[in-house]
Amino acid sequence: DVKVTQSSRYLVKRTGEKVFLECVQDMDHENMFWYRQDPGLGLRLIYFSYDVKMKEKGDIPEGYSVSREKKERFSLILESASTNQTSMYLCASSFGVGTGDRGRDTQYFGPGTRLTVL
Amino acid sequence: AQSVTQLGSHVSVSEGALVLLRCNYSSSVPPYLFWYVQYPNQGLQLLLKYTTGATLVKGINGFEAEFKKSETSFHLTKPSAHMSDAAEYFCAVVTGANSKLTFGKGITLSVRP
Repeated sequence: DVKVTQSSRYLVKRTGEKVFLECVQDMDHENMFWYRQDPGLGLRLIYFSYDVKMKEKGDIPEGYSVSREKKERFSLILESASTNQTSMYLCASSFGVGTGDRGRDTQYFGPGTRLTVL
Repeated sequence: AQSVTQLGSHVSVSEGALVLLRCNYSSSVPPYLFWYVQYPNQGLQLLLKYTTGATLVKGINGFEAEFKKSETSFHLTKPSAHMSDAAEYFCAVVTGANSKLTFGKGITLSVRP
């Protein structure tokens, strides 16, 4: 079974702090994703990575950065946390494009990190 | 650009009743469509997906969905609701390369005893 783990289930930080959210997958997936989930807004893509050291902005990248130094690990960084970044953060991974099987588009999700910024 | 619409935010059914959760999509290319379920305090879990081939797709926990190109729909159904089906359900469409997904806003399903 694919396993995607996130470093914390619950996190409380103060405004202005630098926050690191870590995600690790064990299936040698090329693609990794960070989403935030807010009531009534569904999931919104923050950043994704399709290879080590490669990243692309999603729909709402402002206030966030990412790092992918190893294939299995994808970090989300809040440079200076603000109260409007209080949210549920979900990490996901999937096989890479070019496999010849579009069915491998399935994304596998971690359990989520509920971040509260005070 | 590809997108999905899930009308309404909450559906309530009685245990044993039919579950119908609606999803309509917009896509300029043949769509690849997904339904995910999120149980309380958990991440998302794949219920089923449509890529190519048979338009009636069966998933886990007795759910199924039918791809209807003429109606641009991919509605999720289950003949008989169970209390354990109470969760939030998301429809999603593949958007571009690298298996990027665009999600609907989600529908919360409640099941009454």
